[in-house]
Amino acid sequence: GESVGLHLPTLSVQEGDNSIINCAYSNSASDYFIWYKQESGKGPQFIIDIRSNMDKRQGQRVTVLLNKTVKHLSLQIAATQPGDSAVYFCAEKEGSSGAGTALIFGKGTTLSVSS
Amino acid sequence: EPEVTQTPSHQVTQMGQEVILRCVPISNHLYFYWYRQILGQKVEFLVSFYNNEISEKSEIFDDQFSVERPDGSNFTLKIRSTKLEDSAMYFCASNTGHSGNTIYFGEGSWLTVV
Repeated sequence: GESVGLHLPTLSVQEGDNSIINCAYSNSASDYFIWYKQESGKGPQFIIDIRSNMDKRQGQRVTVLLNKTVKHLSLQIAATQPGDSAVYFCAEKEGSSGAGTALIFGKGTTLSVSS
Repeated sequence: EPEVTQTPSHQVTQMGQEVILRCVPISNHLYFYWYRQILGQKVEFLVSFYNNEISEKSEIFDDQFSVERPDGSNFTLKIRSTKLEDSAMYFCASNTGHSGNTIYFGEGSWLTVV
């Protein structure tokens, strides 16, 4: 079954708005989570990551929130721009998070930004 | 900025033919991966490789698949006898294996089996 998933397959926002993309995971043993952005025809591009000993981490215009109680992860994008239009995946690392352990990806949310 | 590079970007092959996809991971990285993405679907893990051996593989990575690090820079994925359902985007990825653990992906090789 699905280990990681996203609540909504698509999200449409206006340029300048803040975007929130959600992800639910089911494996309570996961201890490392990553958000990737994938533009059409390209590989996943790292955005931000967070470990299970944190509940919030901020980057440039992006914030990841982790709620381990309800096994929920979110990506917030501030002042969304047309260039943010892409598919966003959350991914988790299973189990002991050894360096070679597989990432498990969710299905992705397509973010469309209109100007 | 260092990046994972992959060749070819697109390959069309006849069913039953062998295919080799090539990758050059980021130079100081120690762990290498292959993932695949069937059109419109999520990214799926195939295999991870460390210290010249497979460290983990998924159910997808059956006997038709193999990986190799033939020299100090390349990392290859071989599909021995391609099937129609092998058509997908194949992504190579790498990371250092240190505490950062961030996995960086290449741009992908699009394989079409006809």
